[in-house]
Amino acid sequence: DVKVTQSSRYLVKRTGEKVFLECVQDMDHENMFWYRQDPGLGLRLIYFSYDVKMKEKGDIPEGYSVSREKKERFSLILESASTNQTSMYLCASSFLTDTGELFFGEGSRLTVL
Amino acid sequence: GQNIDQPTEMTATEGAIVQINCTYQTSEFNGLFWYQQHAGEAPTFLSYNVLDGLEEKGRFSSFLSRSKGYSYLLLKELQMKDSASYLCAVKDSNYQLIWGAGTKLIIKP
Repeated sequence: DVKVTQSSRYLVKRTGEKVFLECVQDMDHENMFWYRQDPGLGLRLIYFSYDVKMKEKGDIPEGYSVSREKKERFSLILESASTNQTSMYLCASSFLTDTGELFFGEGSRLTVL
Repeated sequence: GQNIDQPTEMTATEGAIVQINCTYQTSEFNGLFWYQQHAGEAPTFLSYNVLDGLEEKGRFSSFLSRSKGYSYLLLKELQMKDSASYLCAVKDSNYQLIWGAGTKLIIKP
């Protein structure tokens, strides 16, 4: 069964803290994505990666960075968390040449106080 | 600009049929997806349309009209477990997905 696993379902952090969100997929997918999901808005792409050590900015990269040292793992980093980064973060993966069907993790709900 | 519109919320009765509409305006079109997301869970893939017409998959069907920038998801024989949000997404010129805000579907007994 295909699986995308996110390291933490719920996190509470303080303003200014560094936050790591990790995502691991076991499907040998080339593509990996980080989205945030907020009420009343569609999913917004933060960063994506087509290959190891490769990253591309999405629509809202400010305040975030990513790391992809291994094919199966894609990490999202908030260098200095702010309250407006309180959100649900979704990781997804897909094959490079497929229709683009995404497989999502369960999500990480981050609250920044 | 790029825009995906779908109703915020819909209510339907168990056993009935419901149609969830999605209209889009994008610079390019390379396919349209529907995903289902139960509260607190990950979105899961339902359908993909790239050509005009109706694609049927069990109780769920998805329709696309590229000339009208319009799609709908049709759910038949509604069950309580169909209560969820339904997300419409269009693949743009960069092969990235542009997402609608989602339609929350409430099923009543």
